[in-house]
Amino acid sequence: QKEVEQNSGPLSVPEGAIASLNCTYSDRGSQSFFWYRQYSGKSPELIMFIYSNGDKEDGRFTAQLNKASQYVSLLIRDSQPSDSATYLCAVIFGNEKLTFGTGTRLTIIP
Amino acid sequence: GAVVSQHPSWVICKSGTSVKIECRSLDFQATTMFWYRQFPKQSLMLMATSNEGSKATYEQGVEKDKFLINHASLTLSTLTVTSAHPEDSSFYICSAGGFGSGKYQETQYFGPGTRLLVL
Repeated sequence: QKEVEQNSGPLSVPEGAIASLNCTYSDRGSQSFFWYRQYSGKSPELIMFIYSNGDKEDGRFTAQLNKASQYVSLLIRDSQPSDSATYLCAVIFGNEKLTFGTGTRLTIIP
Repeated sequence: GAVVSQHPSWVICKSGTSVKIECRSLDFQATTMFWYRQFPKQSLMLMATSNEGSKATYEQGVEKDKFLINHASLTLSTLTVTSAHPEDSSFYICSAGGFGSGKYQETQYFGPGTRLLVL
């Protein structure tokens, strides 16, 4: 069973601080990793994708991938109340479909 | 770019009726579209994968005769929930991918979802 694990939270972070979201996956051969944000009652929207080990930055978001340890994380700098949402980690195992974690609910406290 | 639309956004129907949901990729051609279902406070569950011009591939436990999928063109896929029952009430979300080349084909963009309530 190929799995994607996330802490369901809720994770509470003060406004302006760094929010750190983590995700682990079971298949060492996975090559493609995605972070989606989902507001309550809405569909997921893509934040970032990452394929290579290391960091990838896009504005206030940084994705970090460590294939040896089989984890991928998302850092949100200068957290804003509008960042409050559920963050879904998703992984493609081999040539198969996208597999989602259960999501981490993030709350930014003003 | 990469805009996916769904219609309708909300539907309420009586038990036993059929409901059709459309998913369109507006600014790109999607060789593959995916249909998900999400129950409250749960993650997305993939129902089926549809490829343009061929039959959909259904996930284990999803009844293909109940959830009919048609992917007639590179920009349109439809999901028909036949003989809907209250337990089919859920948030149905499509996604599209397959544009560009190489690994970017794997990136999926989601439609806004359709909330179905069966009375």
